[in-house]
Amino acid sequence: DTEVTQTPKHLVMGMTNKKSLKCEQHMGHRAMYWYKQKAKKPPELMFVYSYEKLSINESVPSRFSPECPNSSLLNLHLHALQPEDSALYLCASRQRVGGTDYGYTFGSGTRLTVV
Amino acid sequence: EDQVTQSPEALRLQEGESSSLNCSYTVSGLRGLFWYRQDPGKGPEFLFTLYSAGEEKEKERLKATLTKKESFLHITAPKPEDSATYLCAVLDRGSTLGRLYFGRGTQLTVWP
Repeated sequence: DTEVTQTPKHLVMGMTNKKSLKCEQHMGHRAMYWYKQKAKKPPELMFVYSYEKLSINESVPSRFSPECPNSSLLNLHLHALQPEDSALYLCASRQRVGGTDYGYTFGSGTRLTVV
Repeated sequence: EDQVTQSPEALRLQEGESSSLNCSYTVSGLRGLFWYRQDPGKGPEFLFTLYSAGEEKEKERLKATLTKKESFLHITAPKPEDSATYLCAVLDRGSTLGRLYFGRGTQLTVWP
């Protein structure tokens, strides 16, 4: 299995809703990432988990809450979002062997629309 | 200050018309430079990793090269299915947690 799987692919939610995005990989990668990408912009880093511990939080609003239950799963809990949070949310995992970075595998993303 | 700059922002090519995309970077030490292809509404698809100046990698119609300051993605005889946004990202040697710095991408359109 060489994929990062994200669900759902599309999500529409109201500003008072609570929802979660899920990400799963079975490649044994120990670093996982959440990125946010607005239209025609590059991905922006939100969170980094390394060995299931939150290592980077890029001052993301508290209405986004990440969780890493185990080394294969990554969740992003959403609550009281704003319309400007509408974006493509990308999960990625990183393969690093013996100090060499072989690449980052991205999921296909969740297209989030906040209404 | 952008650490990764890609040019051009957009490129239109006729099928079969070869060209190159540029990615220039400014980091204290390069651990790796990555090229991705991204289709609209999809996640980035990994193409290449380059580690040191002089390195080259090829895949079908694509060839990536690296110097100390920039990387080029050469597209030979492109086809319409090569149309996508091509993203360049760098990993700084000082980053222990693998933060990627992305360029803004080059939107490539290949018309028949």
